[in-house]
Amino acid sequence: EAGVAQSPRYKIIEKRQSVAFWCNPISGHATLYWYQQILGQGPKLLIQFQNNGVVDDSQLPKDRFSAERLKGVDSTLKIQPAKLEDSAVYLCASSLGAVRAYEQYFGPGTRLTVT
Amino acid sequence: TQLLEQSPQFLSIQEGENLTVYCNSSSVFSSLQWYRQEPGEGPVLLVTVVTGGEVKKLKRLTFQFGDARKDSSLHITAAQPGDTGLYLCAGEVTGFQKLVFGTGTRLLVSP
Repeated sequence: EAGVAQSPRYKIIEKRQSVAFWCNPISGHATLYWYQQILGQGPKLLIQFQNNGVVDDSQLPKDRFSAERLKGVDSTLKIQPAKLEDSAVYLCASSLGAVRAYEQYFGPGTRLTVT
Repeated sequence: TQLLEQSPQFLSIQEGENLTVYCNSSSVFSSLQWYRQEPGEGPVLLVTVVTGGEVKKLKRLTFQFGDARKDSSLHITAAQPGDTGLYLCAGEVTGFQKLVFGTGTRLLVSP
């Protein structure tokens, strides 16, 4: 079974530029999560989708971050404009659904450096 | 807001030593998970504990969930260099189907 796919793996941009990350979850997984992980810290949930609907985006900085999950499969996370403090690893995870939310499977992440 | 504090933040030991990592909170969780993350990779689930007082063993790793479901520990016996990584605990928030991650413990095991 294929795991969670993410691209790109690395991205370097200048502040005020925009960037987009892509995630393809495990087939059949209804729930998709985007996390931000600052170096050496635990991941912080940015947004959670159930199928193509948003369940929780309370920690998403909505003035600059946006995310969508069209057709309930792939998802895209966008930052516009980027700030220096956005430098982090952006992780995508998926799970079967609400009743097994704790079994989350993570992709390799995208390391973003904002200069 | 649920918070999970891990201690120690960093641990550097020699191969063969034993160690314990702690994960503490003032909040109750439906379940608690432990993940290990290696550089350049996403976290990988090691174990899930659900019942207060539950103990699970995975080879040389022993996981325990506190009786009140607010804390957990991870004990590694005879650590090996392959155990090196970032260990993360994560609590399942009751009624919200989401995880709150701990602050992380970075383990370095030297040969």
